[in-house]
Amino acid sequence: EAGVAQSPRYKIIEKRQSVAFWCNPISGHATLYWYQQILGQGPKLLIQFQNNGVVDDSQLPKDRFSAERLKGVDSTLKIQPAKLEDSAVYLCASSPGPQPGETQYFGPGTRLLVL
Amino acid sequence: AQSVTQLDSQVPVFEEAPVELRCNYSSSVSVYLFWYVQYPNQGLQLLLKYLSGSTLVKGINGFEAEFNKSQTSFHLRKPSVHISDTAEYFCAVRSGANNLFFGTGTRLTVIP
Repeated sequence: EAGVAQSPRYKIIEKRQSVAFWCNPISGHATLYWYQQILGQGPKLLIQFQNNGVVDDSQLPKDRFSAERLKGVDSTLKIQPAKLEDSAVYLCASSPGPQPGETQYFGPGTRLLVL
Repeated sequence: AQSVTQLDSQVPVFEEAPVELRCNYSSSVSVYLFWYVQYPNQGLQLLLKYLSGSTLVKGINGFEAEFNKSQTSFHLRKPSVHISDTAEYFCAVRSGANNLFFGTGTRLTVIP
């Protein structure tokens, strides 16, 4: 079974530029998550999708971050414009459903450096 | 509100020695508890989880954890570590309608 795929793996941009990350979840997984992991910290949830609908985006800085999952499969996370404090690893995870006990399967992440 | 405290940011241990990584949580409702491992430049991988039932949970790679409700703890243990266990370990809690909340992680370094 293929795991969660993410691209690119690394990205370096200057502040005020825009950037987009792509995630392809495990086939058949209805729930998709984006996390931000700042160096030295645990992952923090940014947004949760159930199929193509947003379940929780309470921690997403909506003035600069946006995310979509138009067909209920792949997802894109965008930052525009980027700030220095956005430097982090962006992790995508998926699970079969939204139940609290479901295991979340993580991709390898995209490491973003904002200069 | 829920929170997770991992008391040790770094744990060095000699190869073949036992190890315990500590995790304490707070939540006003019933919880689900998870331990994830993150190898360098990789995503997180589930080691084990507690949903209900037996308080001793066995996971992959010889790890186990014990849920202690009275002490609100979920410590991770392994009786004999290998070099390949060197990684970052994250404890996480999920309760009620809340999403998964991670601790700050413990870096386990196994010394040959």
